[in-house]
Amino acid sequence: DAGVIQSPRHEVTEMGQEVTLRCKPISGHNSLFWYRQTMMRGLELLIYFNNNVPIDDSGMPEDRFSAKMPNASFSTLKIQPSEPRDSAVYFCASKKREGTGELFFGEGSRLTVL
Amino acid sequence: GENVEQHPSTLSVQEGDSAVIKCTYSDSASNYFPWYKQELGKRPQLIIDIRSNVGEKKDQRIAVTLNKTAKHFSLHITETQPEDSAVYFCAASSDLRGSQGNLIFGKGTKLSVKP
Repeated sequence: DAGVIQSPRHEVTEMGQEVTLRCKPISGHNSLFWYRQTMMRGLELLIYFNNNVPIDDSGMPEDRFSAKMPNASFSTLKIQPSEPRDSAVYFCASKKREGTGELFFGEGSRLTVL
Repeated sequence: GENVEQHPSTLSVQEGDSAVIKCTYSDSASNYFPWYKQELGKRPQLIIDIRSNVGEKKDQRIAVTLNKTAKHFSLHITETQPEDSAVYFCAASSDLRGSQGNLIFGKGTKLSVKP
């Protein structure tokens, strides 16, 4: 398996622009998580899905952030409009319900908002 | 919700010495405690985990201990090597709803092992 695949790996955009981050979980995994990593706040859970259904989005910072999982093999995290304080590395991760509990992370998407 | 505190935030040791990282958690329902290692510019990866029915677990040079009464758990690395240099994250989760509970991470410990 190729692991969790995220795109883009790097994105530089200007304040006010829309940003869409994409994630393909490992096949057979039915839980998907979006985390944001910054030096100040560490790894913050933004939202997670079980069987494509959002379970907990209390970590989503504000209405500018939205996430979808239209099917078991694809999820998006959208920021509209983007702001400089959104600059961070965004990780997608997945795990298997019947598995050991191990979370498999993608390589991350590094977002810079100017 | 769960809150995980981790310390120290930075730790510097000489090669061959031991390193200890400590975490506390708030939710008494948490019963799964993994540790992740993140090398510079890379993704976090699981190195060891422990469940609440076990007090200690060891895997070669790394070990984890858990004290459920006090709600704290620790990572111990013995005979440290330069390749152990990385950021280490502890996490806590409850799988009361099956193994799909979300993982809440501590803020990380940057370990530097000096040759």
